[in-house]
Formats: sequence, C-alpha cells, structure tokens
Amino acid sequence: AQSVTQPDIHITVSEGASLELRCNYSYGATPYLFWYVQSPGQGLQLLLKYFSGDTLVQGIKGFEAEFKRSQSSFNLRKPSVHWSDAAEYFCAVGAQNNDMRFGAGTRLTVKP
Amino acid sequence: EAGVAQSPRYKIIEKRQSVAFWCNPISGHATLYWYQQILGQGPKLLIQFQNNGVVDDSQLPKDRFSAERLKGVDSTLKIQPAKLEDSAVYLCASSQDRTGELFFGEGSRLTVL
Repeated sequence: AQSVTQPDIHITVSEGASLELRCNYSYGATPYLFWYVQSPGQGLQLLLKYFSGDTLVQGIKGFEAEFKRSQSSFNLRKPSVHWSDAAEYFCAVGAQNNDMRFGAGTRLTVKP
Repeated sequence: EAGVAQSPRYKIIEKRQSVAFWCNPISGHATLYWYQQILGQGPKLLIQFQNNGVVDDSQLPKDRFSAERLKGVDSTLKIQPAKLEDSAVYLCASSQDRTGELFFGEGSRLTVL
C-alpha cells in the first residue's frame, strides 16, 4: 500500500528566505504526486502535481517540486517566501484519482 | 464555476448522538470522496464514490459510519452513534476522471462532547 512521509511537522522561515518542504513516498508503481496547501479554516487547494515527463514541475504561487525516483522524494520549494504562504502543506500520492493518500502535513510559519 | 459545497460548517453533539453531513460536488465530477481530518493529521480517506457506486470504503468504520451518493451527485455521510474520537473535520472532495486533481470543500467541523 502506498504511504507518504513528511518528516518536518513544523518549519519556520523568515520572509524572503527560500523554502524546501520534504516529502517521501512509498508506492509500488509510478506514482501520481501532489502538493496541497490548507489555510486555517479552509479546504485544501492544489499547488502542483506530477504524473509523468519533466521531473521538475511548476505550480501556482511560485512553488515548484522535483520528483526524484531514486530517492522516492517529491520535495516542494519556493525561492522567496511571502507572509501569505503561512499555512499547512500536504504531500499526497495516488494512482490517478484513486486511493489518494496524504501525509501528516508540515505547518509553515513565516517570520517578518 | 461553483466549488464543492458542504454543510453544516460546524456541529457540536454529545457522544452516542447521530450527525449527518452533506456534500454537493462540482457539476460534472464523477468521483466524490469523504476524508476525515483529525487535528494535527493529514486527511484520511473514508470512502470514494465513482458516480453512485462505491470504489473504496476500506477505511470507513462501518459499524457507525455510513455514506450514500444519491443519483451520482450529492452525498451524505452519517455517523451513528458518535464517539469522542470522531471529533474531526470531514472534508468532501470531487474530481473529474483522469486528472487526479481533487477539489475540496471547506469541510464540516464536528465536535463530540
């Protein structure tokens, strides 16, 4: 069965600094990988997704993620964080739209 | 385009009572999901519908939880009787086939006292 691990429960970065959120997955075949963001009291919003092709994917709000098969990782990055990026971030793995599994999430705090 | 609608947004009940949550997915989305999100955890899939058929309900506690999707559109998730550990946000999501992107509602927050 597939699973997702987000090693960092909470990360704090200064506004304008770079960001990397880690995600490791376990899946028997080529996975479909996703990053979602959840602001307080809101539902989840898709940031980006990887199905196949170029392993570096661009998403909304200036985020990008890189699929590394050898490391079973799909880390999320942003070169310069804005205060509005403070939220909870979830990595997910699935097979197309079946059996989507989410990680436990990483809470991002942005310092002024 | 209207998003995924859920109601109620908040519900407080006592243990052993029952509760129902309603979800209206995005028009034309064949797949509908119910997730349970306990505070501090990621969403856990409870049940997935394809049109009005169940695709996966392996993690649904069937002794107390039930869900149906009427005519392949709206869905209702029921808990009866509720336990303290059912306190969570219940998220509904929908998707079109073959895209893999889930569109989430704002959730229904349940507190069981």
